[in-house]
Amino acid sequence: NAGVTQTPKFQVLKTGQSMTLQCAQDMNHNSMYWYRQDPGMGLRLIYYSASEGTTDKGEVPNGYNVSRLNKREFSLRLESAAPSQTSVYFCASTGQGANTEAFFGQGTRLTVV
Amino acid sequence: DQQVKQNSPSLSVQEGRISILNCDYTNSMFDYFLWYKKYPAEGPTFLISISSIKDKNEDGRFTVFLNKSAKHLSLHIVPSQPGDSAVYFCAAVTSGTYKYIFGTGTRLKVLA
Repeated sequence: NAGVTQTPKFQVLKTGQSMTLQCAQDMNHNSMYWYRQDPGMGLRLIYYSASEGTTDKGEVPNGYNVSRLNKREFSLRLESAAPSQTSVYFCASTGQGANTEAFFGQGTRLTVV
Repeated sequence: DQQVKQNSPSLSVQEGRISILNCDYTNSMFDYFLWYKKYPAEGPTFLISISSIKDKNEDGRFTVFLNKSAKHLSLHIVPSQPGDSAVYFCAAVTSGTYKYIFGTGTRLKVLA
């Protein structure tokens, strides 16, 4: 049981390049999330998907797009990377019902130069 | 506008003593609160939670207290152990919204 798996673990991009961060969970969870972690800023919600087929903006959605491909997978796309998007990105998922804990992946460390 | 705040970026405590980590929130609609622990190069892991209908929840060495009138929660770790050294995040959510909002984190160092 792998839980939440993120790929890649590390990535260096040049300004203006695009890339997609992949996330998959094998816990049959309904809801999935993308966060970014920056020093002094904590974990900030970028986008989330309450259920398959739905996505919503979080606290810092600008510069990102997401796709809930199916119940298992939720991807985050940077269309034109900027140095301000240098961060550690975490994917998470939560199970059915209200008030359940989120399970996190190991993170993707992204550097935009 | 930071809806969940952890005003202490860091905290050092002697092994065996109590660690108290604090968290404040501004959104009165939040009704479920969680604490996470994060080690370097790993994802956050769930520690303990509390519903707004309670004011205390205990799990072993970890206790979370909720003061709704003050919009404040705290995590007590007793006794503190060196392995507790990590960054601790509090989080809050309003039931049905699925929007978990995290604080900025507190780095706890437990000194042996």
